[in-house]
Amino acid sequence: SQTIHQWPATLVQPVGSPLSLECTVEGTSNPNLYWYRQAAGRGLQLLFYSVGIGQISSEVPQNLSASRPQDRQFILSSKKLLLSDSGFYLCAWSVQGAVIPLHFGNGTRLTVT
Amino acid sequence: AQSVTQLGSHVSVSEGALVLLRCNYSSSVPPYLFWYVQYPNQGLQLLLKYTSAATLVKGINGFEAEFKKSETSFHLTKPSAHMSDAAEYFCAVSVRNTPLVFGKGTRLSVIA
Repeated sequence: SQTIHQWPATLVQPVGSPLSLECTVEGTSNPNLYWYRQAAGRGLQLLFYSVGIGQISSEVPQNLSASRPQDRQFILSSKKLLLSDSGFYLCAWSVQGAVIPLHFGNGTRLTVT
Repeated sequence: AQSVTQLGSHVSVSEGALVLLRCNYSSSVPPYLFWYVQYPNQGLQLLLKYTSAATLVKGINGFEAEFKKSETSFHLTKPSAHMSDAAEYFCAVSVRNTPLVFGKGTRLSVIA
């Protein structure tokens, strides 16, 4: 069966520090991969999605970037965090060629201080 | 572009009462619609989905939703609330195989 792993579960970082959040999927090949951010009162916002290695689509211009160095690995990064980057970050996957069903990881709670 | 609007950021019901969470969508083409549930500090779990088959969709945990094209709605209901239903609920839409767009969520509280 397929599983998705996200880490760390919680993270507290100072303003201006770098960020790296990792997500991996097991049990499927060439999945579509997604990063969503959940901020208080704003629902889930799609940040990036990827249909293959090195292929990244950015939905919202911002302080973050994403990379997919391997088929089942998706990384969310920032060179310098802002206070506004605080939130709950969720990685998700769907089978190749389809956007549904969408399966979510357990998320990373990021607090920028 | 497609979008969903969830009416009410917080809904409170008594245990055993009807649960009704509202979702309206906007789309120029036939949509796929979804309801997800999120428990504290966890990811989202699919409750049910509408993908152009039956308009009344049954999901897990006794929830169901009805697609009403004339009202552009996809409201979520459950006849009798249970304490374990307390969570945040998200409505989402997808068209033409594009990534899901989510609403802002509705927090459901269940009062004993």
